[in-house]
Amino acid sequence: AQRVTQPEKLLSVFKGAPVELKCNYSYSGSPELFWYVQYSRQRLQLLLRHISRESIKGFTADLNKGETSFHLKKPFAQEEDSAMYYCALSPYTGNQFYFGTGTSLTVIP
Amino acid sequence: DTAVSQTPKYLVTQMGNDKSIKCEQNLGHDTMYWYKQDSKKFLKIMFSYNNKELIINETVPNRFSPKSPDKAHLNLHINSLELGDSAVYFCASSRHRAAGVNEKLFFGSGTQLSVL
Repeated sequence: AQRVTQPEKLLSVFKGAPVELKCNYSYSGSPELFWYVQYSRQRLQLLLRHISRESIKGFTADLNKGETSFHLKKPFAQEEDSAMYYCALSPYTGNQFYFGTGTSLTVIP
Repeated sequence: DTAVSQTPKYLVTQMGNDKSIKCEQNLGHDTMYWYKQDSKKFLKIMFSYNNKELIINETVPNRFSPKSPDKAHLNLHINSLELGDSAVYFCASSRHRAAGVNEKLFFGSGTQLSVL
């Protein structure tokens, strides 16, 4: 069963516009949610995790347990934000990471 | 210094061949993984080893055999390659076995396998 869903395969926004990358999950219990990013010609890396409640490169993500969502947001997109973004889930205890199919974000100058 | 390194970066081979992809991490992590990213960019876990012990073995054809000679290495051997095996394979590691607040994955840069 698909645990992590990213409904948008491709997303284009203009520079300076707000951006939201959607992520929904299905998991009973208390999962940990993450956003990973892969910039062009770079390796996949962690962007942020919900437990840290942090803002990285202007991005934030709020875990909404009622809607089982973990959308990634940034108020003003920059060209360097263009990348592939993966939402991921991990059980709080356990070893698996389940990834969504990814959203390719393009920020248009 | 590269934290998680995998070789080769590109691998082009004929159907039916046997090939290996190597992965090494110098982070002192206990747990290593192999992920497959298919043509649709979907990342799916294949295997996970913790201190040389297999702990995750997802539904993967038994033509794929991981080997962990020590906890810093997790190699992937593929027998009788098929067209559908074409994908990007990512190696990753994490400090400990249990995912939790202090865990994150460190990924290698990927091996693009093309089976002709």
